[in-house]
Parts: sequence; C-alpha cells; structure tokens
Amino acid sequence: DTAVSQTPKYLVTQMGNDKSIKCEQNLGHDTMYWYKQDSKKFLKIMFSYNNKELIINETVPNRFSPKSPDKAHLNLHINSLELGDSAVYFCASSLMTLPSTYTQYFGPGTRLTVL
Amino acid sequence: RKEVEQDPGPFNVPEGATVAFNCTYSNSASQSFFWYRQDCRKEPKLLMSVYSSGNEDGRFTAQLNRASQYISLLIRDSKLSDSATYLCVVNPKAGNNRKLIWGLGTSLAVNP
Repeated sequence: DTAVSQTPKYLVTQMGNDKSIKCEQNLGHDTMYWYKQDSKKFLKIMFSYNNKELIINETVPNRFSPKSPDKAHLNLHINSLELGDSAVYFCASSLMTLPSTYTQYFGPGTRLTVL
Repeated sequence: RKEVEQDPGPFNVPEGATVAFNCTYSNSASQSFFWYRQDCRKEPKLLMSVYSSGNEDGRFTAQLNRASQYISLLIRDSKLSDSATYLCVVNPKAGNNRKLIWGLGTSLAVNP
C-alpha cells in the first residue's frame, strides 16, 4: 500500500514552461509538506499545509504555488520554469495532532529537469 | 554557523566495523532531534528519534548532549545494507511548529 505518492516521478521540460506535481497521502495525516533537494543534496522546506491551511511558507519565488484541495492532497504548480528549478521535489506528511511525534513520511520524489 | 552541521564524509568502513557520526546544532532551545536515512535516489526515512536519555534500536544507538549541542549516531556491526546517507534533523521550536531543519547528511559506505 502506498503511503505518500507523487506524480509524475520524472519530469523533463523546457525553460519557460508551466508544470504541476501532485501528491497524495493515505495515512490520515493532517499536515503535508513540499521539500526541494538540489544537486548538493540539501533538503529545504518550501511549504507546509495543515488541514488545507498554509502554515509554512519559506522564501520561495512566487512562481511556485502550492494548493491543498483537501488534507490528503497537496499539489505544487510551477510557472515559467528556470534552469535552477532542476531538483528533486519531495512531498511529505505528518500528524500534527500528536505533538509527541514529528515523524514525517516522504513520497518517492519527483525528479524535475529543466532544459 | 549553520543551524545543523554534519561531516559529509564519506565514511568508508569494512563490514562488521563500528562507526559513529556526530551532528551539531546552533539553537540551544531546540526541542526534538532525529536521524533519518536516505538511500541513493530514494526518499528520506526516519531511522530513530533521539531522546535526552539516549536510546538504542538494535545495532543503532543515538545520544543527545544538550550542553555541547550535539547528537550522535553509533552503528555497531556494520552491514552492507547500512550504506546510505544519514541525515541529522532538528526541530528548533516547541509546540506544533513542524519546520524541521535538516543537515546535509553524512555518507556511509560499508565495504565487503
């Protein structure tokens, strides 16, 4: 059973295009995240939603727009893609109502290559 | 000073060896600490949380030293399957803030 799934797994596109990545979790978690992992392997938080409400919004270009239609889904839309956007994008989820645990469960990642 | 710092390695050890990684953090008010493991081209997965009293899970032992602001991970009797990158993760705030700070990771290669 897939816990956190992302589509697509690979995405190759031209500069200037607009693309979306989708994420779904079936763990019953209430909080979801988008991370970017660049070529230097640094994992950086971009956004987080709790019950469809944006709670973390890091310094990210406004070409990146997250959307959470419900607490099981978090999508990421990227406008006007640039070469520097090439990275692996990970979706993750956790259960905020259990403050004793901060375990985050990650999706398999979406490898974005901008040509 | 970076918020979370790790020696990137790589650590190359033979099977059966004992290896230890340290990680330092800058925020003395940090509340929660974790070790995650990331295999090549895969997603990070929680290895273990780190408790003040130290904790052990099989061949893995995690320790927290608040005074010196570091956490450690000890792996005994290394297996080939332990080869991965080990990520030190810190939650710098109390309460429901879920913004974790991630280290760059320490790469471990266990050789036959």
